[in-house]
Amino acid sequence: QLQLQETGPGLVKPLESLSLTCTVSYDSISGSDYYWGWIRQSPGTGLEWIGSIYASGRTYYNPSLKSRVVISVDTFKNQFSLKVNSVAVTDTAVYYCARHWSPSKLWWAFDSWGRGALVTVAS
Amino acid sequence: QSALTQPASVSGSPGQSVTIACNGSSHDVGSSDLVSWYQQHPGKAPKLIIYDVTKRPSGVSNRFSGSKSGDTASLTVSGLQAEDEADYHCCSYAGRTTWVFGGGTKLTVL
Repeated sequence: QLQLQETGPGLVKPLESLSLTCTVSYDSISGSDYYWGWIRQSPGTGLEWIGSIYASGRTYYNPSLKSRVVISVDTFKNQFSLKVNSVAVTDTAVYYCARHWSPSKLWWAFDSWGRGALVTVAS
Repeated sequence: QSALTQPASVSGSPGQSVTIACNGSSHDVGSSDLVSWYQQHPGKAPKLIIYDVTKRPSGVSNRFSGSKSGDTASLTVSGLQAEDEADYHCCSYAGRTTWVFGGGTKLTVL
């Protein structure tokens, strides 16, 4: 059963960088032919897609966040990571990682999710 | 890229059916069959319940069904049960390899 687990600091100061890592278990990022994504949910609001990455490092980002976000992958550790630069209070959210789409499998949804990690931006 | 529009809340009595609308545009829902729906109980991660507008993953109750007309996708929950009380989120492909979610709808079972 595929498992994803987000890890990282729960508190970040304004204008600093937020960094999270997603560890994938019981599936291989490099061998699975899926994209892997980050999604966030601010308190009391809906979900927001941040971006997705393939094992090769190819990435796609939400245009509204693209200037501040970097998603990277480490296939040896079977992990992918999120970095959000110059954070503000509005970046406070639960951040989820999830398995996303696979063009070869004609699969286009987020089918497995991590439990989420709450990141609070405050001084 | 604007978020899809969903009603903030809907409600229904046990056994009834409710429908949640997800309004988009010709740039996302209207031009894509890649609409998915997620159920989220409080404090839990979202769970995929509908993909490709109408398809259900294995293990998801057939009381959940999806449809689309023009720029609006819909999720119908039939035979409401107490366990259906949750937040529901729609998601659509929005072109140029981007994805957009709706604001979420809280379903209350009366």
